[in-house]
Amino acid sequence: GAGVSQTPSNKVTEKGKYVELRCDPISGHTALYWYRQSLGQGPEFLIYFQGTGAADDSGLPNDRFFAVRPEGSVSTLKIQRTERGDSAVYLCASSTEQGHPQYFGPGTRLTVT
Amino acid sequence: GNSVTQMEGPVTLSEEAFLTINCTYTATGYPSLFWYVQYPGEGLQLLLKATKADDKGSNKGFEATYRKETTSFHLEKGSVQVSDSAVYFCALTNTGFQKLVFGTGTRLLVSP
Repeated sequence: GAGVSQTPSNKVTEKGKYVELRCDPISGHTALYWYRQSLGQGPEFLIYFQGTGAADDSGLPNDRFFAVRPEGSVSTLKIQRTERGDSAVYLCASSTEQGHPQYFGPGTRLTVT
Repeated sequence: GNSVTQMEGPVTLSEEAFLTINCTYTATGYPSLFWYVQYPGEGLQLLLKATKADDKGSNKGFEATYRKETTSFHLEKGSVQVSDSAVYFCALTNTGFQKLVFGTGTRLLVSP
């Protein structure tokens, strides 16, 4: 079956611009997670959805970052007024309600110039 | 707080050598422990897991035992192959929490 998909695979934007990153989870998975992976580091948790609601957004670094999952399936991570420090690979994962295992998408590489 | 510490890489081995990648953790409660692998050009994949003390996770010839007394979850394989070359991440989740906390990753390079 289809895995987790993320679009775009690469995004280059200028400092100060707004970007949206999309995640399509595995069909039927109720839990969805966003992580950020900087070069040479492990992924860092950003936000977790159970259904349509954000159950844990404690990893969002500041109020420029926001994520939605309006119908409990596709999720969009939104970053306002991008900064060069936002450059990273943004990973999405999904799982059943039990939480594990989490299945990861290929990621979106964001570069802020 | 919760954290994971992995040995720094790269780990360079010849084919058929024995592999150990060290992982220790700090956590409150009763964490579940995982090893994820990232092959070149691919996404993160779950390699194995253990959910309670003394459990042994195993997959594809890799093993790791959950040691509560030493707060460790070291990854081992008896005979590595070139195709095992990848970045390996140790991770945990804690009781009542769904998010994964990852280590920094260890790159394994296996030469023929």
